[in-house]
Amino acid sequence: GAVVSQHPSWVICKSGTSVKIECRSLDFQATTMFWYRQFPKQSLMLMATSNEGSKATYEQGVEKDKFLINHASLTLSTLTVTSAHPEDSSFYICSASEDYNSPLHFGNGTRLTVT
Amino acid sequence: QKEVEQDPGPLSVPEGAIVSLNCTYSNSAFQYFMWYRQYSRKGPELLMYTYSSGNKEDGRFTAQVDKSSKYISLFIRDSQPSDSATYLCAMDVWGGNTPLVFGKGTRLSVIA
Repeated sequence: GAVVSQHPSWVICKSGTSVKIECRSLDFQATTMFWYRQFPKQSLMLMATSNEGSKATYEQGVEKDKFLINHASLTLSTLTVTSAHPEDSSFYICSASEDYNSPLHFGNGTRLTVT
Repeated sequence: QKEVEQDPGPLSVPEGAIVSLNCTYSNSAFQYFMWYRQYSRKGPELLMYTYSSGNKEDGRFTAQVDKSSKYISLFIRDSQPSDSATYLCAMDVWGGNTPLVFGKGTRLSVIA
């Protein structure tokens, strides 16, 4: 089945620094990937839609200058949290689908802690 | 009214019990319905994927969709301690490669 890999699984950074999270589709090509954020005991909230070769589409309330998304190839999307602050601490999860008739599969998430 | 409503629980059952998890929704355009299982500090894992109304069975899991009532269910038979996780319902209009609308998730504990 479709496998989505995310790296790193856990990262701690200092306030004001930037962190990059990678999302890879291992056995399929993904023209579109989705980035979600999940706070403790909350459901997944869509942050942005990442499109290969074009600009990402951000959900209302998500700062595009803070959460930079680059979908440079059909198997890789990256999310960079710039000038991170403690309130950015969360669980970030990416997802992708093999095609328009297949369900979304999720990566194992990245736990970001900003100190 | 939220688009998808799901009782967050927690739900605690003894090993071997039949578990019933449910979601209701308001958008009649939803056609694709999914159940994901999420263990602590892990990403969601797809359990069931169904289109429109009807039942789908996979091992100990059965998904039911009643579009007329805007109600979906997941049944787990012979529940095991390893089933202890958060179960998220999700749905969308177009299916595949489109963002999902999630329920809040129900935390399930199966006690040995």
